[in-house]
Amino acid sequence: QVTLKESGPGILQPSQTLSLTCSFSGFSLSTSGICVSWIRQPSGKGLEWLATICWEDSKGYNPSLKNRLTISKDTSNNQAFLKITSVDTADTAIYYCARRPVITEGTFDYWGQGVMVTVSS
Amino acid sequence: DVVMTQTPPSLSVAIGQSVSISCKSSQSLVYSDGKTYLHWLLQSPGRSPKRLIYQVSNLGSGVPDRFSGTGSQKDFTLKISRVEAEDLGVYYCAQTTHFPLTFGSGTKLEIK
Repeated sequence: QVTLKESGPGILQPSQTLSLTCSFSGFSLSTSGICVSWIRQPSGKGLEWLATICWEDSKGYNPSLKNRLTISKDTSNNQAFLKITSVDTADTAIYYCARRPVITEGTFDYWGQGVMVTVSS
Repeated sequence: DVVMTQTPPSLSVAIGQSVSISCKSSQSLVYSDGKTYLHWLLQSPGRSPKRLIYQVSNLGSGVPDRFSGTGSQKDFTLKISRVEAEDLGVYYCAQTTHFPLTFGSGTKLEIK
């Protein structure tokens, strides 16, 4: 059974760095063709892809966030991470991690429950 | 970036009726491997998105066959036959052919 769960600080101040963790089970990020992505959703709005990391450690980032994103993984502990630097109120959103089997389906086949992040002074 | 345009933005349908949602991309979604990475997701109220259809027309595991997807290149359609109450929510198309990955703006389905 595949499950993912996000965790984060809940609330942080503008200019701080947001650190998110995706803890998963039922699959391994060392398995060929498996990637994990981060996607966010401001309240009442649509979905925005942020970043992806794959089994062979390739990474992809949304250029709209310029150089603020860093994605990484800990294969041994079944975790993926996302850091966003210099946050502001526009980064307030629900953050999801999702599995993406790129060789088979190509879509986001399993999602976490999401974690709410609020940026406020 | 590939822009995904979904229409209509919302619709209201009675139980048992059929409905179609359109998704048009600003570029062809055919990848160099010949596959088309256009997918459909459903976000039920208060829930995370859920995979419905991948690569245009393939039903995800456990998805009822009332859902079907068609299309090619830049023009795609999700059809729901015999709508049920559990189908309410926001439907998104998503493309994973080109970076950055992008989503449509969503179609909100309400039950009359």
